[in-house]
Amino acid sequence: DQQVKQNSPSLSVQEGRISILNCDYTNSMFDYFLWYKKYPAEGPTFLISISSIKDKNEDGRFTVFLNKSAKHLSLHIVPSQPGDSAVYFCAASFQGAQKLVFGQGTRLTINP
Amino acid sequence: KAGVTQTPRYLIKTRGQQVTLSCSPISGHRSVSWYQQTPGQGLQFLFEYFSETQRNKGNFPGRFSGRQFSNSRSEMNVSTLELGDSALYLCASSFGTGHHEQYFGPGTRLTVT
Repeated sequence: DQQVKQNSPSLSVQEGRISILNCDYTNSMFDYFLWYKKYPAEGPTFLISISSIKDKNEDGRFTVFLNKSAKHLSLHIVPSQPGDSAVYFCAASFQGAQKLVFGQGTRLTINP
Repeated sequence: KAGVTQTPRYLIKTRGQQVTLSCSPISGHRSVSWYQQTPGQGLQFLFEYFSETQRNKGNFPGRFSGRQFSNSRSEMNVSTLELGDSALYLCASSFGTGHHEQYFGPGTRLTVT
């Protein structure tokens, strides 16, 4: 039972445009959500997080939106840069537990 | 501040052997979590240690075990290795209380032949 799903295995975006990565979850107990970026042969790098009491969180070029009623979150990257090319994972947890449940990842490619 | 470190980075073992992986968390972090990444199953939670106690456990067989020392460093052990244990093993550290981000190490690539 996959509780966190990233339905797009890959996404290709032109440099300078907006990248939108999507994530759906099924467990309504999740109350904290995170996005990580991963390069090959490296560990995931934390990007941005959001608590379920908020619907938006911004950090520089990265914005995460949370729609609790739809059990959906998205990561917006504006403007997209070549260095953003990586695999992006969304993750969820609940009640402060350190157990993260990850989606399968979306490979983002930024084209010059 | 130094990041999470994991040793060794690469390991090749034979089926039936056992292996021990090591993780040093970020200074001040008391929680260490372990994850397994494989192409088929993605990133899966193994277990979490906080103040030398296992606090959470994922759905892995008993061959997978871990421990945490008083300085928060952690080790995980896999006994009786199987081919399917070939994976990238990632360690992550956090403060461990409330909602805090986990910071990952570079991982240990284990190959079982």
